Amino acid sequence: AQKITQTQPGMFVQEKEAVTLDCTYDTSDPSYGLFWYKQPSSGEMIFLIYQGSYDQQNATEGRYSLNFQKARKSANLVISASQLGDSAMYFCAMRAYTGANSKLTFGKGITLSVRP
Amino acid sequence: SAVISQKPSRDICQRGTSLTIQCQVDSQVTMMFWYRQQPGQSLTLIATANQGSEATYESGFVIDKFPISRPNLTFSTLTVSNMSPEDSSIYLCSGRGGYRDTQYFGPGTRLTVL
Repeated sequence: AQKITQTQPGMFVQEKEAVTLDCTYDTSDPSYGLFWYKQPSSGEMIFLIYQGSYDQQNATEGRYSLNFQKARKSANLVISASQLGDSAMYFCAMRAYTGANSKLTFGKGITLSVRP
Repeated sequence: SAVISQKPSRDICQRGTSLTIQCQVDSQVTMMFWYRQQPGQSLTLIATANQGSEATYESGFVIDKFPISRPNLTFSTLTVSNMSPEDSSIYLCSGRGGYRDTQYFGPGTRLTVL
């Protein structure tokens, strides 16, 4: 069984500063993918970044980077140079790659508020 | 990234009625899913939409309440039947495919049942 844990309460960050959103996961599968999504108040789920379990380097996408620590089973999202538009819910998710119909498992999400 | 469109974007419905949500994905999508997100909650998978056959439902979701069709690779519908206020949620269509088989989401349908 897969499990994603996001335990931080609502997070606040000053505009232009960096912020780290925590995510830990649990799986017995050796091959899996980790995903982060952003959900603004409009409700859409926006894919941000992906990390494969066998990737040698941490993923980066523009201002987003993933601090992947496989031994600790953590996949924290780092947002650099925060902008007001980054205020949203952020969900960590994972999918194991064994099995034909592996499903995406989501954490409970973290609310990020960017202060001007 | 995959392009996923969904309509309606929102609706307000009376209890006891039904609403059908449509989802269109681009050709790189191989699998389609429907999720529900109740207020203040995370996403819950309702079912996997299978092309030309019955959807695969998750525990707690039944076909009579949430009939799903996927007549071709790029189109699916979800119907929320005999609605009650407890069905008030965001319903999201999702498609998987493309580079690294990433899963993308449509803009969601915000449903309010009175």
